[in-house]
Amino acid sequence: DGGITQSPKYLFRKEGQNVTLSCEQNLNHDAMYWYRQDPGQGLRLIYYSQIVNDFQKGDIAEGYSVSREKKESFPLTVTSAQKNPTAFYLCASSGDSPYEQYFGPGTRLTVT
Amino acid sequence: KQEVTQIPAALSVPEGENLVLNCSFTDSAIYNLQWFRQDPGKGLTSLLLIQSSQREQTSGRLNASLDKSSGRSTLYIAASQPGDSATYLCASTGYSTLTFGKGTMLLVSP
Repeated sequence: DGGITQSPKYLFRKEGQNVTLSCEQNLNHDAMYWYRQDPGQGLRLIYYSQIVNDFQKGDIAEGYSVSREKKESFPLTVTSAQKNPTAFYLCASSGDSPYEQYFGPGTRLTVT
Repeated sequence: KQEVTQIPAALSVPEGENLVLNCSFTDSAIYNLQWFRQDPGKGLTSLLLIQSSQREQTSGRLNASLDKSSGRSTLYIAASQPGDSATYLCASTGYSTLTFGKGTMLLVSP
């Protein structure tokens, strides 16, 4: 099956700890994205990568870091510098034109 | 900076009604416009994508239109069903990223 997988589905961490969210795709897409969704809010872009070994900050990159060492993988690290890390995190990927984005099932992170 | 607005924020209709969800955007220099469905606690499912050169796209009971000059897109759902209950999000694609609206939460009652 082709698609995007995110793991784990639920993640709990103590305040002050870094945590890494996994995102893998087997769609052979070049571009991958990380979004954050809060209740009553639209999706906000954290980071995106259009090619291996390259990535750009989105609208709310502070307190987050990413890597893109493989085409299939785009892990997101939520650092202790992120003030309000509790949220629903969504990973997406897109191929060539018309750049339709496909989403994973999401990871719900709770930090206490 | 692109801003995307969706009206209404919530909508409740009886089963069988035809309905229209609205999406407006401030910058008409978009590459495409995508409509998504999101069920509670789930990821997004792409419903329709309209390229900037197109006026509309259809899939089953869904029809999406795009008017770049006025900065508007609509999603028409025919003969609504309880299974259509979900949040519907529209997103415009600029140079390389999407800008999302906050969504319309739809409830279709039997």
